[in-house]
Amino acid sequence: DAKTTQPPSMDCAEGRAANLPCNHSTISGNEYVYWYRQIHSQGPQYIIHGLKNNETNEMASLIITEDRKSSTLILPHATLRDTAVYYCIVPYNQGGKLIFGQGTELSVKP
Amino acid sequence: EAQVTQNPRYLITVTGKKLTVTCSQNMNHEYMSWYRQDPGLGLRQIYYSMNVEVTDKGDVPEGYKVSRKEKRNFPLILESPSPNQTSLYFCASSSGGRDTGELFFGEGSRLTVL
Repeated sequence: DAKTTQPPSMDCAEGRAANLPCNHSTISGNEYVYWYRQIHSQGPQYIIHGLKNNETNEMASLIITEDRKSSTLILPHATLRDTAVYYCIVPYNQGGKLIFGQGTELSVKP
Repeated sequence: EAQVTQNPRYLITVTGKKLTVTCSQNMNHEYMSWYRQDPGLGLRQIYYSMNVEVTDKGDVPEGYKVSRKEKRNFPLILESPSPNQTSLYFCASSSGGRDTGELFFGEGSRLTVL
């Protein structure tokens, strides 16, 4: 399984960009990178995913390095409501086994 | 409205009393899975199902059973609950295949075993 490594916590000032890194050095060629966030004890919410090109949607941007061994989730203008735990996952070979890890706890401060 | 529904949302039970946490999705999704979340341990996968009658173990299957007799439902069964199964449980579904990772989660079921 492609494992992911994320810093346990990060701070960001309100209105600034939040850049959340994720290492997935064992990722294979056809495995996607997915990002989720979880606010308090609510069900995690899907944010974005990508294979090799950069992706952007209304919530965030995803930058994947050329060697695909790491990625960065960018929240361009963080708000207090973006305070959450962010998870980066790589489903193994499009299979069903998913490893979430402990994620990054992002604190957006005024 | 597209949703994953779990029941019960909260439950306090006693050791050894069999219980079932139900999960239902209305999106015709092929893939469904169960997770438990404990402080400091993040989300850990218990079981998953790629389709009807197809289930497989995740990282922490011990003490749990599942079944997938129909597409929309994926119940989690605790035959003989123990206090170490006190946790917050989430069910999730996705369309599967290349989109397995695009999960929709339920609101969670908080289980306490005394």
